[in-house]
Amino acid sequence: GAVVSQHPSWVICKSGTSVKIECRSLDFQATTMFWYRQFPKQSLMLMATSNEGSKATYEQGVEKDKFLINHASLTLSTLTVTSAHPEDSSFYICSARGGTSGSDSYEQYFGPGTRLTVT
Amino acid sequence: GQNIDQPTEMTATEGAIVQINCTYQTSGFNGLFWYQQHAGEAPTFLSYNVLDGLEEKGRFSSFLSRSKGYSYLLLKELQMKDSASYLCAAMDSNYQLIWGAGTKLIIKP
Repeated sequence: GAVVSQHPSWVICKSGTSVKIECRSLDFQATTMFWYRQFPKQSLMLMATSNEGSKATYEQGVEKDKFLINHASLTLSTLTVTSAHPEDSSFYICSARGGTSGSDSYEQYFGPGTRLTVT
Repeated sequence: GQNIDQPTEMTATEGAIVQINCTYQTSGFNGLFWYQQHAGEAPTFLSYNVLDGLEEKGRFSSFLSRSKGYSYLLLKELQMKDSASYLCAAMDSNYQLIWGAGTKLIIKP
């Protein structure tokens, strides 16, 4: 199956600093990538959808100036949490979509997630 | 509005069978996904249904009724490693996934 990597897997940063998370599709071209946030014991919350070469579409309530998303190529998307605060501490998961036919076209392949702790 | 409903938590016994139900309301419909998520890990794909009926894949089966807006995931011969959250997600007309809150499945020996 398709593989999506995410880096780093965990990060601790100080309040006020910025953190960049990378999401890569390793063996397929991802036309669309999704960024999710998940708080403990809660379901996935979609933050934004990004298509290669165009601006990301943010969900309501997600600050686009705080969560910068770049999808520069068909295999790489980045999420930068700017001026991080303790309330940004969460599990951030990316997924990628880009199969060629059938369910592969719609299935989202998830990265392993990045656990961010802001102190 | 768009909505996905599934039970919050279920308990079953090792070796038994469990059925996790999911009902959905979406703007358009392009299929129903089931994902498994172990604590602290990302979701992994289990199944995709777009036509009515039952899809069997080993110990796991998934059923869809489009007219009823209903799906279920059936897990047979339960093993302790099946303890996880099971997420139901429906794809709307824009090919976006609408996620349920997940069902936490607890397996007891």
